[in-house]
Amino acid sequence: GAVVSQHPSWVICKSGTSVKIECRSLDFQATTMFWYRQFPKQSLMLMATSNEGSKATYEQGVEKDKFLINHASLTLSTLTVTSAHPEDSSFYICSARDAQGAHNEQFFGPGTRLTVL
Amino acid sequence: GQNIDQPTEMTATEGAIVQINCTYQTSGFNGLFWYQQHAGEAPTFLSYNVLDGLEEKGRFSSFLSRSKGYSYLLLKELQMKDSASYLCAAVDSNYQLIWGAGTKLIIKP
Repeated sequence: GAVVSQHPSWVICKSGTSVKIECRSLDFQATTMFWYRQFPKQSLMLMATSNEGSKATYEQGVEKDKFLINHASLTLSTLTVTSAHPEDSSFYICSARDAQGAHNEQFFGPGTRLTVL
Repeated sequence: GQNIDQPTEMTATEGAIVQINCTYQTSGFNGLFWYQQHAGEAPTFLSYNVLDGLEEKGRFSSFLSRSKGYSYLLLKELQMKDSASYLCAAVDSNYQLIWGAGTKLIIKP
């Protein structure tokens, strides 16, 4: 089946630093990748949709200058949390859509737990 | 607006059957997914329905009624490892997933 990797799995950083999270589709090409954030005991919240070779589309309320997304290839998208603050601590999950898949489903990476001190 | 409703939490007994309901209102409809998410992990795909009816896959089955905007996930022969959150997500006309808040399923021995 389709596999999506995410790196790092967890990161702890000081307030004010920037953190980059990578999302890779390992055995398929993903023209579209999605970035989600999930706070404890809450559902997934879509942050942005990332299309290969074009600018990401951000959901309402998500600061594009704070959450920089780059989708430079068909297998890699990155999310950079700039000047992270404690309120940015969350579980960040990426997913990739397999355009060749039977149901156009999204396959999820294992997630990155970010803790900002 | 677009909306997905599912119960917040359900409790069931090991070996029993449980049905998790989901109702949806979306701009257009291109199918409905069910995902399982264990605590601290990312969601994993369970099922996809786009036509009315029941899709069976082992212990798990998913049902869809497009006219009623309704789906359910049926879990049989419950095992302790089935304790997880179950997320319902409908696909709108733009092929975007509209997510429910998830149903936390607690299995008791």
